[in-house]
Amino acid sequence: DAKTTQPNSMESNEEEPVHLPCNHSTISGTDYIHWYRQLPSQGPEYVIHGLTSNVNNRMASLAIAEDRKSSTLILHRATLRDAAVYYCILRENNNAGNMLTFGGGTRLMVKP
Amino acid sequence: GAGVSQTPSNKVTEKGKYVELRCDPISGHTALYWYRQSLGQGPEFLIYFQGTGAADDSGLPNDRFFAVRPEGSVSTLKIQRTERGDSAVYLCASSLWRTATQYFGPGTRLLVL
Repeated sequence: DAKTTQPNSMESNEEEPVHLPCNHSTISGTDYIHWYRQLPSQGPEYVIHGLTSNVNNRMASLAIAEDRKSSTLILHRATLRDAAVYYCILRENNNAGNMLTFGGGTRLMVKP
Repeated sequence: GAGVSQTPSNKVTEKGKYVELRCDPISGHTALYWYRQSLGQGPEFLIYFQGTGAADDSGLPNDRFFAVRPEGSVSTLKIQRTERGDSAVYLCASSLWRTATQYFGPGTRLLVL
């Protein structure tokens, strides 16, 4: 399975933008790039996903490199509630069960 | 609407005992997943149900672990002869179909003494 590489931790100031990077150099053409986050003492929650084009939703933006070997999750204005572990996951679009393969993620700390 | 619920939220048991963990998925979701999360690590896949059948149980660590979903809704994860190494948070997720967004429950924190 194609793997992802993320920094262990990042820090941000409240109300500033945050760019969370993810490298996935062995991504295949059918892999979707998914981001989930896990707030303390909660289960993971979906943030955003994309295939080739940049994506925006109410939570975040996803910028995907042209060669798809890396992507960046963008939180436009971090709040204290955004402090969580962010997971970048490659999800194959095939006939398998499509389970999520989590790595270690990036622990985002937001300073007031 | 109601999300995925899991009971109990916490379970403390003794080594060698049997435990059952329950997952109530979102109504109408056909796919159900169990994951296990050890402290400081990301969740690891255990088993996936499509409807009533276990479509992929490749993540179950050994034959002490078993899961059922008899009516295609509620699922129970069963662990026999628990060991201290089974201590973890057990997460359940459901989705409308296998490729759709997965919605996670809050997890059951299992502690084996």
